[in-house]
Amino acid sequence: DVKVTQSSRYLVKRTGEKVFLECVQDMDHENMFWYRQDPGLGLRLIYFSYDVKMKEKGDIPEGYSVSREKKERFSLILESASTNQTSMYLCASSLFKSSYEQYFGPGTRLTVT
Amino acid sequence: DAKTTQPPSMDCAEGRAANLPCNHSTISGNEYVYWYRQIHSQGPQYIIHGLKNNETNEMASLIITEDRKSSTLILPHATLRDTAVYYCIVRVFNDYKLSFGAGTTVTVRA
Repeated sequence: DVKVTQSSRYLVKRTGEKVFLECVQDMDHENMFWYRQDPGLGLRLIYFSYDVKMKEKGDIPEGYSVSREKKERFSLILESASTNQTSMYLCASSLFKSSYEQYFGPGTRLTVT
Repeated sequence: DAKTTQPPSMDCAEGRAANLPCNHSTISGNEYVYWYRQIHSQGPQYIIHGLKNNETNEMASLIITEDRKSSTLILPHATLRDTAVYYCIVRVFNDYKLSFGAGTTVTVRA
């Protein structure tokens, strides 16, 4: 089974802090994704990576950056956390860029106070 | 991408079939219908997808109407573990983005 793990299930940070969310997948997938999920707004793509050191902006990249130094690991960085970044963050991976199936991690619920 | 409309919630008895409707009246010819679900405190999980033919896998069946304007996800023998939010989405096959709306909250009762 594909396993996608995320570094934390719950995280509380203060406004202005730098925040790192890490995601690891164990199935040698080329493609990895970071989404955020908010009530009333649904699931939205922040960034996508299709190879090591390669990335594309999603629908809401502002305030975020990403890093992919190794194939299995994809990090989401909040350079200066703000309260409007309080959300559920979901990492996913897929074998092909447009695979019908994306495999999701359990999510990190981030609260910025 | 075309939008979908789903009922906000539905109940189902354990052991019975659960039929989840989805309306996608503006779907275009190259868009597929996908279903995902999200169990509480977990990430979304792929269930099934289809273009115009009915599809079945170990989890569920997908029935798409001939005009493709609506579809039904069928969980043949619902269990308590099927309690989740179910999302119906349509997207072009080569689009890598997933975008969920509110979905249908399905509660399976013993």
